[in-house]
Amino acid sequence: EVQLLESGGGLAQPGGSLRLSCAASGFTFSTYAMNWVRQAPGKGLEWVSGISGSGGSIYYADSVKGRFTISRDNSKNTLYLQMNSLRAEDTALYFCAKDHGSVVPTTFDPWGRGTLVTVSS
Amino acid sequence: DIQMTQSPSSLSASVGDRVTITCRASQSISTYLNWYQQKPGKAPNLLIDAASTLQSGVPSRFSGSGSGTDFTLTISSLQPEDFATYYCQQSYTNTVTFGQGTKVEIK
Repeated sequence: EVQLLESGGGLAQPGGSLRLSCAASGFTFSTYAMNWVRQAPGKGLEWVSGISGSGGSIYYADSVKGRFTISRDNSKNTLYLQMNSLRAEDTALYFCAKDHGSVVPTTFDPWGRGTLVTVSS
Repeated sequence: DIQMTQSPSSLSASVGDRVTITCRASQSISTYLNWYQQKPGKAPNLLIDAASTLQSGVPSRFSGSGSGTDFTLTISSLQPEDFATYYCQQSYTNTVTFGQGTKVEIK
């Protein structure tokens, strides 16, 4: 069974940083692209970033480009999201999601339960 | 970015009703369109990919259709467990985008 477990969320000040992790199990991690998707309180889904199985191809939404960095450690079956220069509008539940494909973001299945990031002074 | 617009934003329906949700893309996306269901406090769940391919374990009352810019998700006979929010998502471009969601509520 595929399992995805996010961690690292919490309270950060505007301009601050956080690093999210997503521990994966139940599949050959390096074969699949992985993604981060967020959901602000009471709002819809927003794709944040995706990374290919090898880590060689990386994609970002314009809203986080230059501030967030996605990475993965295939030896540890773990996905990361380094979040810098945080803003109030980054407050959201952050989900990691396994992709159906290996390179570009396509179809997200399954999803983790999410980790909550709150940006506030 | 490709904009995805769902309609309606919310609807009220009764158990047994036929429900149709539409999703329109700002440009042609062929059939690079997925549908997700999200229940309160839960992660989204993939229902349909490639516009019309039902995922394993998803009840056959769910169906998807469309290509190009216009897509529909249909629930043929609404069940109590179907009350949720539904999202479409395009994967035609590398920077994928979601619709704003359609909340299906109990009438």
